[in-house]
Amino acid sequence: AQKVTQAQTEISVVEKEDVTLDCVYETRDTTYYLFWYKQPPSGELVFLIRRNSFDEQNEISGRYSWNFQKSTSSFNFTITASQVVDSAVYFCALSEASGGSYIPTFGRGTSLIVHP
Amino acid sequence: NAGVTQTPKFQVLKTGQSMTLQCAQDMNHEYMSWYRQDPGMGLRLIHYSVGAGITDQGEVPNGYNVSRSTTEDFPLRLLSAAPSQTSVYFCASRTNYFVANEQYFGPGTRLTVT
Repeated sequence: AQKVTQAQTEISVVEKEDVTLDCVYETRDTTYYLFWYKQPPSGELVFLIRRNSFDEQNEISGRYSWNFQKSTSSFNFTITASQVVDSAVYFCALSEASGGSYIPTFGRGTSLIVHP
Repeated sequence: NAGVTQTPKFQVLKTGQSMTLQCAQDMNHEYMSWYRQDPGMGLRLIHYSVGAGITDQGEVPNGYNVSRSTTEDFPLRLLSAAPSQTSVYFCASRTNYFVANEQYFGPGTRLTVT
């Protein structure tokens, strides 16, 4: 069984604030993949990042950074100096290797509202 | 490349009516799937396909049928619509079943059943 928990339903910040979106997962597999997707108000989901379970290096892409910690089963996403265009629903997802399939399970999403 | 396309964008049905949500991709992806998105529930998998002629059920398959006669197309059929099927439906694809690559999503179909 796999499970992804995004405990923050909605976060509201003012532009230029830093914000962290939490993602906690559960899995018994040693091989798995974690993802973040962004769903802007237009509705279409956009892939942001993929991380495999053997690579705990943090990643930075512009104002976005991701902190993967296997010890706490977390894969948190930080936006530095948030902008109005960051307003969206963000989904964390987990794909396990069990059975040779990688069917992802999504968290319930965190709605981020960035006010000007 | 158009990516993943879905039609229609919006649809209103009466209870008991049937309809087909269309999904097509032009990336030669083997794996395709359908999700529904409801407020506070995230994305839940309805059905998926690992290639032409092969489909399987996801987490919430009841009330939906699928088929995959070509690599490109993966339609979702509602045989007798119910108000509980009011939702936003997303089709997604990725290269294949055995590699955990990212999924590409269509723009969604907003369905209302009255």
